[in-house]
Amino acid sequence: RKEVEQDPGPFNVPEGATVAFNCTYSNSASQSFFWYRQDCRKEPKLLMSVYSSGNEDGRFTAQLNRASQYISLLIRDSKLSDSATYLCAVNPWSNQGGKLIFGQGTELSVKP
Amino acid sequence: EAGVTQFPSHSVIEKGQTVTLRCDPISGHDNLYWYRRVMGKEIKFLLHFVKESKQDESGMPNNRFLAERTGGTYSTLKVQPAELEDSGVYFCASSQDLRGQGSTDTQYFGPGTRLTVL
Repeated sequence: RKEVEQDPGPFNVPEGATVAFNCTYSNSASQSFFWYRQDCRKEPKLLMSVYSSGNEDGRFTAQLNRASQYISLLIRDSKLSDSATYLCAVNPWSNQGGKLIFGQGTELSVKP
Repeated sequence: EAGVTQFPSHSVIEKGQTVTLRCDPISGHDNLYWYRRVMGKEIKFLLHFVKESKQDESGMPNNRFLAERTGGTYSTLKVQPAELEDSGVYFCASSQDLRGQGSTDTQYFGPGTRLTVL
């Protein structure tokens, strides 16, 4: 079993749709969680850190469920510019360095 | 503020040759990470420097890979001799160490070096 797993998609949605991505992680001691966005042939860019209480940034909402070991990303009112690959990343422990374990990414395509 | 830079952007070499990748982190960032994405797979961690010291090199595939960060500024990753399976995109990332832990600080990625081994 992979340490971090995501549905690879692709997700094809119309503009204005709401789309949700899930990501599961296997290490229950994991401490920090992130969503990155990666455009084609570009580097990953941090979209959001994910906190236990959940957090929202405009149209984007991230949630963490420690009991079930998954994190989610909700995108509301999707735009054409949201088309990208969304990467879930987990830091498996704290105080021992910040290496990130990535999922394979979920591709999103928003159509007019 | 300049971001993380990597050189070269692309490299095509033959099996058995040597290639050296360079990463310049954001100025003042003590943490420097190397990652690799092989086609069709997820991005995988290679190693982590804190200043000039190797904090974690658990992801280095084998002894054909050598990473250095002399002086705690830029880093190099040398592959010698290169094999076909080393092809992929090599990303470098850096972060500050605001709380002395390194685990929760945002990692900023460079544009990557696309390595092709023929």
